[in-house]
Amino acid sequence: DIVMTQTPLSLSVTPGQPASISCKSSQNLLHSDGRTYLFWFLQKPGQSPQLLIYEVSSRLSGVPDRFSGSGSGTDFTLKISRVEAEDVGVYYCMHGKQLPPTFGQGTKLEI
Amino acid sequence: QVQLQQSGPTLVKPSQTLSLTCVISGDSVNSISDSWNWIRQSPSRGLEWLGKTYYRSKWYNEYAAFVKSRLTIDVDTPKNQFSLHLTSVTPEDTAVYYCARDGPASAWHFDYWGRGTLVTVSS
Repeated sequence: DIVMTQTPLSLSVTPGQPASISCKSSQNLLHSDGRTYLFWFLQKPGQSPQLLIYEVSSRLSGVPDRFSGSGSGTDFTLKISRVEAEDVGVYYCMHGKQLPPTFGQGTKLEI
Repeated sequence: QVQLQQSGPTLVKPSQTLSLTCVISGDSVNSISDSWNWIRQSPSRGLEWLGKTYYRSKWYNEYAAFVKSRLTIDVDTPKNQFSLHLTSVTPEDTAVYYCARDGPASAWHFDYWGRGTLVTVSS
């Protein structure tokens, strides 16, 4: 299975400041179809995970543009340009290159 | 708007079968562009994908290797729902179980989730 490793595991940010989370995969996530199946989720306290970004950098409809994803190969980053109070929770990366999809261990964002 | 409504017992005895159901509204279980997944979450193991079912002219199932011998996912098309059946459970199967849709925009595109069911395996 592909191992997804996130850093840092926790992050404390002042509102209005940027935040960045790294996700590294144990294998190159470029699929033979030319797409890279790397996803970012946010799990707010007491809620189910919610998809933020798919295929590295595409925001799901309704996701604020302060969230952006980048990267390629084995190294990926989620950036929040200006953190807001509603952004608190645990962020997970996940790959979908092959069975099974696997998740990172999560990064807890606090304000 | 797609909604996934989960139901099932929250306490299961060791060695018994854990069964959960996910009722779909706003979409169809036999959609040819979606797949229907079960994912669980525990403090010790994090988020784990368990398996999925999907319809592409016929029904297919795929399971994670670590539960493949114990897991069955089935479908009730008239009720527009799918179910998880995990046999021979142990306390290590204690977790929050989620159903989730893998939508049409991408592969493994978990865009809608159920609210989760905390299942405890204990005698």
